[in-house]
Amino acid sequence: DGGITQSPKYLFRKEGQNVTLSCEQNLNHDAMYWYRQDPGQGLRLIYYSQIVNDFQKGDIAEGYSVSREKKESFPLTVTSAQKNPTAFYLCASSTTGTFPFNYGYTFGSGTRLTVV
Amino acid sequence: GNSVTQMEGPVTLSEEAFLTINCTYTATGYPSLFWYVQYPGEGLQLLLKATKADDKGSNKGFEATYRKETTSFHLEKGSVQVSDSAVYFCALSDPWNTDKLIFGTGTRLQVFP
Repeated sequence: DGGITQSPKYLFRKEGQNVTLSCEQNLNHDAMYWYRQDPGQGLRLIYYSQIVNDFQKGDIAEGYSVSREKKESFPLTVTSAQKNPTAFYLCASSTTGTFPFNYGYTFGSGTRLTVV
Repeated sequence: GNSVTQMEGPVTLSEEAFLTINCTYTATGYPSLFWYVQYPGEGLQLLLKATKADDKGSNKGFEATYRKETTSFHLEKGSVQVSDSAVYFCALSDPWNTDKLIFGTGTRLQVFP
């Protein structure tokens, strides 16, 4: 079955460490996205990529980095510069170039990152 | 700019009650509209969508009609179940970048037996 996989489901990080969250999709989607969700809050866009080897900052990119070397993969690194990294991180993917229609996003099941 | 406004939660209902979660939007052009559902500890799942004015999206007993005249896309269900307890997000496609979605802040629904 096609889908989008995030790993690990739970991640613990010591202060000052960088950590990388994995996101892989086999849906043949061109676009991929990273969101952050804090308790009781909505979604905030961190980074997105609409094509391999290209990505754009979202609303809260500071302290995060991404790469898009393969169509299937869009890893997110939470760096030590991110002052409050404890949150639930969601990855999503979508088709592109279907104007004027948008078929929506497919989301992964999320990674819960805790700084200890 | 483009935005989505949802009613604040939590919405608390008894089982078999009628549900309405309000969603209004601001957008230039003609966006597509979506409702997503998030169960505890999980990602978001697409619940339903509508791509043009007067379209009705429906799924699992939930319905929403794309109302251009009132810029609304309210979510309704005639009889809720305990298993419907979740957070519901309204979203629209950015008319200037149709590959991107803009999400509302989410509305928590709690259904009690």
